[in-house]
Amino acid sequence: DSGVTQTPKHLITATGQRVTLRCSPRSGDLSVYWYQQSLDQGLQFLIQYYNGEERAKGNILERFSAQQFPDLHSELNLSSLELGDSALYFCASSVDGRSYEQYFGPGTRLTVT
Amino acid sequence: AQTVTQSQPEMSVQEAETVTLSCTYDTSESDYYLFWYKQPPSRQMILVIRQEAYKQQNATENRFSVNFQKAAKSFSLKISDSQLGDAAMYFCAYRSEYNTDKLIFGTGTRLQVFP
Repeated sequence: DSGVTQTPKHLITATGQRVTLRCSPRSGDLSVYWYQQSLDQGLQFLIQYYNGEERAKGNILERFSAQQFPDLHSELNLSSLELGDSALYFCASSVDGRSYEQYFGPGTRLTVT
Repeated sequence: AQTVTQSQPEMSVQEAETVTLSCTYDTSESDYYLFWYKQPPSRQMILVIRQEAYKQQNATENRFSVNFQKAAKSFSLKISDSQLGDAAMYFCAYRSEYNTDKLIFGTGTRLQVFP
């Protein structure tokens, strides 16, 4: 158990809908990262937050957004869902954003039908 | 931009034997970190081992060790005394020392372990 929690574990929804994925980092970790793992794109970095502020952005679609709250949990919002958004979404956390170790949560499996 | 390449989609090994998974990367940076992550059927991403580019000594964690060749931009993972529980997808990943903390992953190698 990495100490990073993600909810829900599984999510099935229809095209065009909006969902919110939630992540709680390890106790004491200030930085949260979101990654997407899909069959065709592999594991890709989406976005990073550090202590409530966006720090880095990767290949995140405009339909996707994220935020980190004062209690340091983070949410990834996916809207206007398409079939191709079906993937495993991981959250990872690290102590300070410069630490080289990122600890991954168990992931949220999103299926868009 | 940095890239990570894992040229072996699948590998297999007999229990108790040794196997080496390959990884190459491309970067113009001099300082960076390299990692191997394991993803078992549970899908959890587990950090296996890390290597700092400024360290010449190869990292070792119990039965796992790396062969880091900085000039060749090669970072292979050796698993000794393979166990059934080692069966998983293994991902090589790169992290820059500069600008961004994101991990750049290779496409993975599926390791099968036979009894």
